[in-house]
Amino acid sequence: KAGVTQTPRYLIKTRGQQVTLSCSPISGHRSVSWYQQTPGQGLQFLFEYFSETQRNKGNFPGRFSGRQFSNSRSEMNVSTLELGDSALYLCASSLDRGQAFFGQGTRLTVV
Amino acid sequence: GQQLNQSPQSMFIQEGEDVSMNCTSSSIFNTWLWYKQDPGEGPVLLIALYKAGELTSNGRLTAQFGITRKDSFLNISASIPSDVGIYFCAGQRLGSGAGSYQLTFGKGTKLSVIP
Repeated sequence: KAGVTQTPRYLIKTRGQQVTLSCSPISGHRSVSWYQQTPGQGLQFLFEYFSETQRNKGNFPGRFSGRQFSNSRSEMNVSTLELGDSALYLCASSLDRGQAFFGQGTRLTVV
Repeated sequence: GQQLNQSPQSMFIQEGEDVSMNCTSSSIFNTWLWYKQDPGEGPVLLIALYKAGELTSNGRLTAQFGITRKDSFLNISASIPSDVGIYFCAGQRLGSGAGSYQLTFGKGTKLSVIP
């Protein structure tokens, strides 16, 4: 069974640009969650999608958004990038509680 | 956002030694999970705990769900060089956001194993 796939693995963007990251969950998993990981703040919850609906959201500005498609694949978008958005963005796929499996992440660098 | 209190922050141990780390919270969680993360990779799920008092093993790893539901412990026995990495605890609280699977993480324990 294939794991969680995140693309791209690495991205370099300039301040003010926008970026879209993609996540393909494990087959059959309808929940996709996104997390931001930085050295200072650790792993912080961004939002969760379940059956194409956002069912929970963390404490991040509106520049961070996401969506989920009917095949459960999810994208997250960050607009008007700031230097502080540089981080490892992780996607987690879940079938049930306690079963959150992560992808390898997308390393975003904002210059 | 809220984070769990995980300790110690880092550990240097000799190969073959046992390791213990723990996680505490001011609030209750329904599920506790432990992850290991290698540099440049995503966290890998090691153990999931579902009820207070539960003790679960995965090879040389043993984790316990505290009876207060506010803490959890991870033990690694007879450490080997490939145990090196960062270990994270995570709590899951059902009922937040319509059944959300949101995880709250500790800041991690960085483990170094000296051969």
